[in-house]
Amino acid sequence: GAGVSQSPSNKVTEKGKDVELRCDPISGHTALYWYRQSLGQGLEFLIYFQGNSAPDKSGLPSDRFSAERTGGSVSTLTIQRTQQEDSAVYLCASSPRGTGLARHEQFFGPGTRLTVL
Amino acid sequence: GQQVMQIPQYQHVQEGEDFTTYCNSSTTLSNIQWYKQRPGGHPVFLIQLVKSGEVKKQKRLTFQFGEAKKNSSLHITATQTTDVGTYFCAGLLGNDYKLSFGAGTTVTVRA
Repeated sequence: GAGVSQSPSNKVTEKGKDVELRCDPISGHTALYWYRQSLGQGLEFLIYFQGNSAPDKSGLPSDRFSAERTGGSVSTLTIQRTQQEDSAVYLCASSPRGTGLARHEQFFGPGTRLTVL
Repeated sequence: GQQVMQIPQYQHVQEGEDFTTYCNSSTTLSNIQWYKQRPGGHPVFLIQLVKSGEVKKQKRLTFQFGEAKKNSSLHITATQTTDVGTYFCAGLLGNDYKLSFGAGTTVTVRA
């Protein structure tokens, strides 16, 4: 596709259930980022991938959160035993490269709106 | 914690007026980027500034990067209803892959 895609667009789940969010980055983009945006708030960095490796997982809020990336492309963010405070929009972004001062703006997907009841 | 501060949080502007949003970091930035998020949408890249004192213009938008590379501003002239949205600055703080986003300035326009 032409841009970053995310699925599902909306997810409503019950507290305690696990959810899996998917991100398809722009083809050829080596860097991939996950962010969380709560209502009316800024973007909270969660994790960064360079290729299939995640050199920085420091933003993951707890050990209930995990992410992986396969084939240098698709990434999944998994939240186990969801809590109400996990409710937010989860945004994925990709970038042509993640290092160096060359232009590396981030291209965002439409996000997944997660609601935990 | 938040390392890039952005003010004001909200900006209510009369159509046709100018306004400025400011971004400040306590540490030197290697570069700064600006994004716009329309209501219900996702952030869209506007511009990147790299050089000390750099000024870039996009039509009615003027972006500046401070001499010390610790602050930046976005000035919009003759505001239009299409300018509605939240403007985020995002800085690279030393490492070269992790953007630290400001909290954003949400702009509303009175016709």
